[in-house]
Amino acid sequence: EVQLLESGGGLVQPGKSLRLSCAASGFTFSSYAMNWVRQAPGKGLEWVSGISGSGGSTYYADSVKGRFTISRDNSKNTLYLQMSSLRADDTAVYYCAKAQGMAARRSSFDYWGQGTLVTVSS
Amino acid sequence: QSVLTQPPSASGTPGQRVAISCSGSNSNIGSNSVNWYQHLPGTAPKLLVYNNDQRPSGVPDRFSGSKSGTSASLAISGLQSEDEADYYCAAWDDSLNGQVFGGGTKLTVL
Repeated sequence: EVQLLESGGGLVQPGKSLRLSCAASGFTFSSYAMNWVRQAPGKGLEWVSGISGSGGSTYYADSVKGRFTISRDNSKNTLYLQMSSLRADDTAVYYCAKAQGMAARRSSFDYWGQGTLVTVSS
Repeated sequence: QSVLTQPPSASGTPGQRVAISCSGSNSNIGSNSVNWYQHLPGTAPKLLVYNNDQRPSGVPDRFSGSKSGTSASLAISGLQSEDEADYYCAAWDDSLNGQVFGGGTKLTVL
């Protein structure tokens, strides 16, 4: 059974940093691209970032480019999102999502975690 | 303002058929496959349709997707109360070099 468990969310001050993790199990982690998708309070889903199965290709939404870094440790079956220079509009539930294939481009997301809440406020 | 445009709401009575539209452009829907997700508040989103019209195993055939040009549609037939949720379309955008979602459609079963 595929399981994705996010952690690392919490309350953080504007301008500070936070790292999210997503522990994966139930599939061959290195064979699939992974993504982060967020949902701000009262808003819709917003794709944040994606990474290929090997970790060699990464993609970012314009809203986070230069501030967030996606990475993965295939030996630990874990996906990360390093978030820096956080702003109030980064407040959201962050979901980890598994892609259907190894490539991060053009892939659908067939499994999602339950999400972790990040609140950016002073 | 989302790159893909969906109606904010839709509704129907049990047993009815409803359709949710998703409008994009040549750089996203016009060039790439469309996927649809169902999201109930407080839960993990669920993939309903991928590659325009394919259903993952376990998704009832009451859900069907289609695409034409730069638009796509999700149809739900035999509407059930459990279908009340938010529905999102998504596609890769070649210009933005990233995934884009629609703003979401809240489906109410009357």
